[in-house]
Amino acid sequence: DIQMTQSPSSLSASVGDRVTITCRASQSINSYLNWYQQRPGKAPRLLIYSASNLQSGVPLTFSGSGSGTDFTLTISSLQPEDFATYYCHQSYTTPYTFGQGTKLEIK
Amino acid sequence: EVQLVESGGGLVKPGGTLRLSCATSGFTFRTHTMSWVRQAPGKGLEWVSSISSNGGYIYYADSVKGRFTISRDNAKESLFLQMNNLRAADTGVYYCAGSPGGDRVWFDPWGQGTLVTVSS
Repeated sequence: DIQMTQSPSSLSASVGDRVTITCRASQSINSYLNWYQQRPGKAPRLLIYSASNLQSGVPLTFSGSGSGTDFTLTISSLQPEDFATYYCHQSYTTPYTFGQGTKLEIK
Repeated sequence: EVQLVESGGGLVKPGGTLRLSCATSGFTFRTHTMSWVRQAPGKGLEWVSSISSNGGYIYYADSVKGRFTISRDNAKESLFLQMNNLRAADTGVYYCAGSPGGDRVWFDPWGQGTLVTVSS
């Protein structure tokens, strides 16, 4: 199975900050990498698909990059509604696997 | 409006069975790969199973293989998960999610989830 490792596991930041979350795959997954946001008690929400494509309706403050084994999710200017948990997800092969999550908290 | 509504969750004893359903509307269900993703309490996301648009390709996580069966009814735009021989480790919120057709899979849209609790 492909292991997905996110860092950091948690992060404290302030409104307006720029933050970056990284995701590393245990083997190359090309660009088969997606990012989700999950707020407490809610279903996940797709943010980025295929490493760098912004899902419709997602603010332009979100961006994704990377290919192969190393990927990043960047939020250019944190808004209050961005404080949530973020997951990466590889769809290169089954079993599809997720990172363990990065909890973004208000400083 | 896109809607996915899961049902069928509940409290069941170890070894018991449940059948989850996901009723959908507002998108072209018949062209979407559909999946189940679960989340144990306080834990991360875990992919459970996927079924291709015509049902011809089905995949399972090793943790549920041989116990769970995914199926779909394109005429009724519904997805199902038959869960047998349930274990405590199967406890969690079960989400149904769609993926547009093609070789690239990403989960969107999602349902609101249904809670499955396996406990004696």
